[in-house]
Amino acid sequence: SQQGEEDPQALSIQEGENATMNCSYKTSINNLQWYRQNSGRGLVHLILIRSNEREKHSGRLRVTLDTSKKSSSLLITASRAADTASYFCATDKGGSEKLVFGKGMKLTVNP
Amino acid sequence: KAGVTQTPRYLIKTRGQQVTLSCSPISGHRSVSWYQQTPGQGLQFLFEYFSETQRNKGNFPGRFSGRQFSNSRSEMNVSTLELGDSALYLCASSLAGRVAFFGQGTRLTVV
Repeated sequence: SQQGEEDPQALSIQEGENATMNCSYKTSINNLQWYRQNSGRGLVHLILIRSNEREKHSGRLRVTLDTSKKSSSLLITASRAADTASYFCATDKGGSEKLVFGKGMKLTVNP
Repeated sequence: KAGVTQTPRYLIKTRGQQVTLSCSPISGHRSVSWYQQTPGQGLQFLFEYFSETQRNKGNFPGRFSGRQFSNSRSEMNVSTLELGDSALYLCASSLAGRVAFFGQGTRLTVV
């Protein structure tokens, strides 16, 4: 069963705009990760944020984590057509490598 | 450093047959996890192996099984295939508590 829920489920924007996607989860976590998937291929890791962190940056990516609200957001700045993909959040509880994924969000960046 | 390698990439099987999928993790990674991805259920955790031992198992019937070898390579087997087993099967490897790296997946079609 999914723990995470991404919101919105689909987003279409123009190149250069920012894209924000949100993830909510249900139980306590150890880490939260964001992944990208292009057209049913493998998942590409984007960023990991630990439960004791509130914000993290990596290039054009900014992720925040609010454990009190059990939610996270991923911001992609200055989007490019190549960012078109599905994005998933995934959580783990620690003690094992099992990840619980959200349903995913489809981002379309129009050139 | 080579990434996670899954073989074969595509597979077509007939109902009732069995199938074995293979995953070679990143060198040095001792944890291997398997996931099933379908349009309806999304990404579902199958099982996790660490040092040849199954450490965690998802909610799948006993037809789904796996194993890990001493070199950390892993295989998963599905017996008595059903149409509903058609999916993208993803393998991920990781160091404990860190980023999970995914392979490109094996697309299984059951006819």
